[in-house]
Amino acid sequence: DTGVSQNPRHKITKRGQNVTFRCDPISEHNRLYWYRQTLGQGPEFLTYFQNEAQLEKSRLLSDRFSAERPKGSFSTLEIQRTEQGDSAMYLCASSFPGLAGGENTGELFFGEGSRLTVL
Amino acid sequence: AQSVTQLDSQVPVFEEAPVELRCNYSSSVSVYLFWYVQYPNQGLQLLLKYLSGSTLVESINGFEAEFNKSQTSFHLRKPSVHISDTAEYFCAVSPLWSSASKIIFGSGTRLSIRP
Repeated sequence: DTGVSQNPRHKITKRGQNVTFRCDPISEHNRLYWYRQTLGQGPEFLTYFQNEAQLEKSRLLSDRFSAERPKGSFSTLEIQRTEQGDSAMYLCASSFPGLAGGENTGELFFGEGSRLTVL
Repeated sequence: AQSVTQLDSQVPVFEEAPVELRCNYSSSVSVYLFWYVQYPNQGLQLLLKYLSGSTLVESINGFEAEFNKSQTSFHLRKPSVHISDTAEYFCAVSPLWSSASKIIFGSGTRLSIRP
């Protein structure tokens, strides 16, 4: 399968513990995005990378959240000292760079997500 | 800043009936517009997009959406739905200046098809 892969698919943790999610994008995509989705809501933008550079972070991404993409391939999203409010589906997506009006503009390829439950 | 409003959280329709899923957006700059679909137990995938040119865009499975700049809307329509269209549909916008690097999603509309 050559789609976007996320691991683990489900994570249950106790409040205060650290968790890490991994995303493997489609190999030729140089943009990688993290979104968070809670029940009844659409995906909320967290951050995105172009190659290894983290170009934007949402204000939703508190100091307890950190994302890396060290070699411009896979990415990790770590949440430290988890809180119950962190319970959500964490979505990863990848894409080609969006040239204005270009054929690939705006098409994000999503993984199936990593569901976090904080007890 | 951009925002997207999907007024209907759920839309139940009978099979073969027409459907319209509403989407309105707010933006002070020009935007690209998208509809993404999430089928049960699958990841989100692009359904259709408006970048420029004709304001009416179509998907391969019979959906269409029309960009209306004066009403800041991008409603999704299908003249006759099928059971397989059961899914959650998300409208999204991205400011042109971002080259689609930042995509803002609406809260979604769950389309349920009754036989």
